[in-house]
Order: sequence, then C-alpha cells, then structure tokens
Amino acid sequence: AQSVTQLGSHVSVSEGALVLLRCNYSSSVPPYLFWYVQYPNQGLQLLLKYTSAATLVKGINGFEAEFKKSETSFHLTKPSAHMSDAAEYFCAVSGNTGGFKTIFGAGTRLFVKA
Amino acid sequence: NAGVMQNPRHLVRRRGQEARLRCSPMKGHSHVYWYRQLPEEGLKFMVYLQKENIIDESGMPKERFSAEFPKEGPSILRIQQVVRGDSAAYFCASSTGTEAGNTIYFGEGSWLTVV
Repeated sequence: AQSVTQLGSHVSVSEGALVLLRCNYSSSVPPYLFWYVQYPNQGLQLLLKYTSAATLVKGINGFEAEFKKSETSFHLTKPSAHMSDAAEYFCAVSGNTGGFKTIFGAGTRLFVKA
Repeated sequence: NAGVMQNPRHLVRRRGQEARLRCSPMKGHSHVYWYRQLPEEGLKFMVYLQKENIIDESGMPKERFSAEFPKEGPSILRIQQVVRGDSAAYFCASSTGTEAGNTIYFGEGSWLTVV
C-alpha cells in the first residue's frame, strides 16, 4: 500500500530563512507525489506535483520539491520564508495501486517568525 | 466560480440527528472524493465516487456513513445519528478521471459540529 510520512508536525522558521518540510513515501510502483497547502479554515490548494518528467519540481509561491528515489523522499523547500507562508502543508501520494486514490500525510504546520 | 463547491460551510447538529453534506465537482470533472480532517490530524480518505458508482469506500466507517453521487445533482455525504466524534471538517475533492496520478482539487470544506 502507498503511504507518506511527514517528519515534524510543526516547523518554525524566521522570515527570510530557508524552509524545509520533509516527506518520505512508500510505494511499490513509481509514485505520483504532491504537495498541498492549507490556510486556516480553507480547503487544500495544490502547490506542486511530481510526475516523473523531472526530479526537481517547481511550484507556486516560490516553492519547489526534489524527488529522490534512493532516499524515497520528496522534501519541499523555499529559499526565503515569508510571513504569508504560514500554513499547514500536506504531502500526498497517488498511483496505480490502491484504486488511484490520493493518500495524505499528517501535515506539517509552518510557523514564520518576524 | 468553476471550483469545487461544498455546502453548507458550517453545520451544527445535535447528537442523534442526521447531517447531509453536499459537493458539486469542478466543471468537467466526473469523480468525487470525500476526506475527513480531525483537529491536529491529517486528511483521512473516506470514499471515491463516480456518477452512480462507488469506486472505493475503504475509508468509510461501517455504520451510519453513506455517500452517493447521482446522475443529476451533487454528491452527498450522509451521516446518520451523529455523535460527538463526528465533529470534523469534511472536504470534497474532484478530478477528471481514474488515470494514475490524477490531480484532485479541493472545495473549501464543510465544518460539522455535533453538540
């Protein structure tokens, strides 16, 4: 079965600092991987998606993620945090097992300090 | 607005009552997913539907919960005889089809409070 594990339920960074949110996946087939962002009392918004076309995926709002098969990781980064980046971030996996449903990690809440 | 539409956004029910949550998918999307989000927890998959067909309900509680996506009209998640533990945010998402790696797009959610 496919699954994702997000390391760290809470991450705190200073404004302008590097953002690194960790995600490891488990999949018996080449996975499709996603990062979504959720602002308070809102739905989830797609940040970026890995589809095997390129290992480094660029998303919206300056975020990017790198697929590393050897490490089964898909960590999300942003070079310089902004206050508006404070939100909850979810890593997710989908594939051709498990009926194509998308499975989400537990989420990482990002705090940005002024 | 061509996005995924959910209503009501907020719903309060007394224990034992029924809750009905509705979801209209994005234009052109034929598949609907329901997820539940409990406080401090991630999104838990509940059910995946196509019009008039349940594709995967492996995440649905065995009792009191049901979902449908009729030929006409929105998808409905129905919770009978609600209990306090059903209080959560319920998110609907939609996609175009069943190919692997489909991107799913979310609605704004329905927050159910059971008192």
